[in-house]
Amino acid sequence: KAGVTQTPRYLIKTRGQQVTLSCSPISGHRSVSWYQQTPGQGLQFLFEYFSETQRNKGNFPGRFSGRQFSNSRSEMNVSTLELGDSALYLCASSALPLVGELFFGEGSRLTVL
Amino acid sequence: KNEVEQSPQNLTAQEGEFITINCSYSVGISALHWLQQHPGGGIVSLFMLSSGKKKHGRLIATINIQEKHSSLHITASHPRDSAVYICAVYPNAGKSTFGDGTTLTVKP
Repeated sequence: KAGVTQTPRYLIKTRGQQVTLSCSPISGHRSVSWYQQTPGQGLQFLFEYFSETQRNKGNFPGRFSGRQFSNSRSEMNVSTLELGDSALYLCASSALPLVGELFFGEGSRLTVL
Repeated sequence: KNEVEQSPQNLTAQEGEFITINCSYSVGISALHWLQQHPGGGIVSLFMLSSGKKKHGRLIATINIQEKHSSLHITASHPRDSAVYICAVYPNAGKSTFGDGTTLTVKP
């Protein structure tokens, strides 16, 4: 079956703009989690959604937001972009939160100029 | 102090050697994942552990819940095992936390 699909794969934005990233989980998976990966901070947890409900949120400012739709697809939005938001944004899907096997997408690489 | 400590940070081995990467954590967990990331590549979850031991091919992962410690072993290492290995802890409550990763280089 198809894997986790993230779009867009690459994007360039300027400071102050906003961006929306999309994640389509594996069919049947209802849990989606988002992560930010940077060379300096490594992998950091952003959000986790299960059945359209946000279960957990990482230590990121309110500029970072997300949601999950009834078909389990998820989006994350970053408003008022800063240079430090340049990163690889990864999503992962699982059948169950916390204890489900994780399947990662290829990521969306955001560059903020 | 990070909630998840991985060691070593970097590891170079000769092909065929036995490799161990360690992960210690400080919180109660629902599950611990070992992740693999090749240069420029995506992340693959190798194992999800909540107790005991799992084996997949040349890879073995163990976890000791009481000691809050997990190890990833690679037997008969191969250059294609060269990658960054990341320990990810999923607490009973709260946010998942990641180790800084172990960069493994296996030389032929």
